[in-house]
Amino acid sequence: GQQVMQIPQYQHVQEGEDFTTYCNSSTTLSNIQWYKQRPGGHPVFLIQLVKSGEVKKQKRLTFQFGEAKKNSSLHITATQTTDVGTYFCAGPTVGGGSNYKLTFGKGTLLTVNP
Amino acid sequence: GAGVSQSPSNKVTEKGKDVELRCDPISGHTALYWYRQSLGQGLEFLIYFQGNSAPDKSGLPSDRFSAERTGGSVSTLTIQRTQQEDSAVYLCASSLSLRLADSPYEQYFGPGTRLTVT
Repeated sequence: GQQVMQIPQYQHVQEGEDFTTYCNSSTTLSNIQWYKQRPGGHPVFLIQLVKSGEVKKQKRLTFQFGEAKKNSSLHITATQTTDVGTYFCAGPTVGGGSNYKLTFGKGTLLTVNP
Repeated sequence: GAGVSQSPSNKVTEKGKDVELRCDPISGHTALYWYRQSLGQGLEFLIYFQGNSAPDKSGLPSDRFSAERTGGSVSTLTIQRTQQEDSAVYLCASSLSLRLADSPYEQYFGPGTRLTVT
């Protein structure tokens, strides 16, 4: 079945360092979404990418969608303690008419040492 | 505006008891999803509603789990004869319906219900 894989599983950085998490799908995606879940909180939608090669920025966060629409990345410049949390990517489930459903990666847990 | 709400926020129950978890989605969102998240783990899909219908129940772990949705709004997830392995955070999310084929809208999650089975 469809798989969405994220690496790394964990990342610990010093405040001010950069951070990148990578998302890879076993199938081509029509779009990809990113969510952030703070410790003890619930996932919050960050962004959706639709176009091949698309790059979007939100302040210190840069999101990319691969040319083949099978991979994506989230890069955070100069991390802050407020960036702590788990970052999930998710893509529409392919096949069987299940495109209403998102397949989530297992997430990357980011911790930041102040 | 109001987001997705869930109740109770925490539930401790004894093994073998039944529990009901409630979800109030964002008004106007016809799609509703239930997920389960164990400590430090990802999101496990349980069930999807479109309006009051549940076309996809494929993620329900066993027949002890059931869910319904009434009036195209509130949803209840029921777990019968709870087991210790049911302990997890149960998250509800809602969204608008599909905008285009293969293009789901973003999902808005509730705060979750933390279920502990002793």
